[in-house]
Amino acid sequence: AQSVTQLDSQVPVFEEAPVELRCNYSSSVSVYLFWYVQYPNQGLQLLLKYLSGSTLVKGINGFEAEFNKSQTSFHLRKPSVHISDTAEYFCAVSYQGGKLIFGQGTELSVKP
Amino acid sequence: DTGVSQNPRHKITKRGQNVTFRCDPISEHNRLYWYRQTLGQGPEFLTYFQNEAQLEKSRLLSDRFSAERPKGSFSTLEIQRTEQGDSAMYLCASSNPQGASSPLHFGNGTRLTVT
Repeated sequence: AQSVTQLDSQVPVFEEAPVELRCNYSSSVSVYLFWYVQYPNQGLQLLLKYLSGSTLVKGINGFEAEFNKSQTSFHLRKPSVHISDTAEYFCAVSYQGGKLIFGQGTELSVKP
Repeated sequence: DTGVSQNPRHKITKRGQNVTFRCDPISEHNRLYWYRQTLGQGPEFLTYFQNEAQLEKSRLLSDRFSAERPKGSFSTLEIQRTEQGDSAMYLCASSNPQGASSPLHFGNGTRLTVT
């Protein structure tokens, strides 16, 4: 079955520290990969996407992610976080058909 | 581009009542998706349309749920005989015709509370 696993449900980190949010997916076919961010009481906003080509993808707000096919991973990173990065982050995969399958989310909490 | 619009933002209803939500996608987007999100979980796929055709419906979706997109523009999601377990955020998203590689653009959701 197709699935997405976000390995950490909560990640607390101090402001200006680096952060990595982990995501693994299961698939035997080619996939497209996405990271979304959700602020309280809002919908999801696209951070970045991997479709093909370079395995290092840069997104908005200083985030980047690296696609690793052999490890079926798509971890999200930021070298220095801000208080405003506090939110829920979702990894998602798209298979044939276009619908997205989401992970359970990682709550990033940035403390001063 | 005014984004995906969902109405109402909040809905409180009593168990057993019917509710209907509306979604207006981004105008040039021909695909429209419905998701459900409960607290602490990722969005769960419910159904999606390409133009007016409903192409896929989740097997987890109860028969009490029905969605329409009559003219290929806005969509409605109706829940009949609501149950407390239906309490959730219902998210709508749309995408352009590039298929599986197109990112979904989400609305702000409709939060349903069933008492």
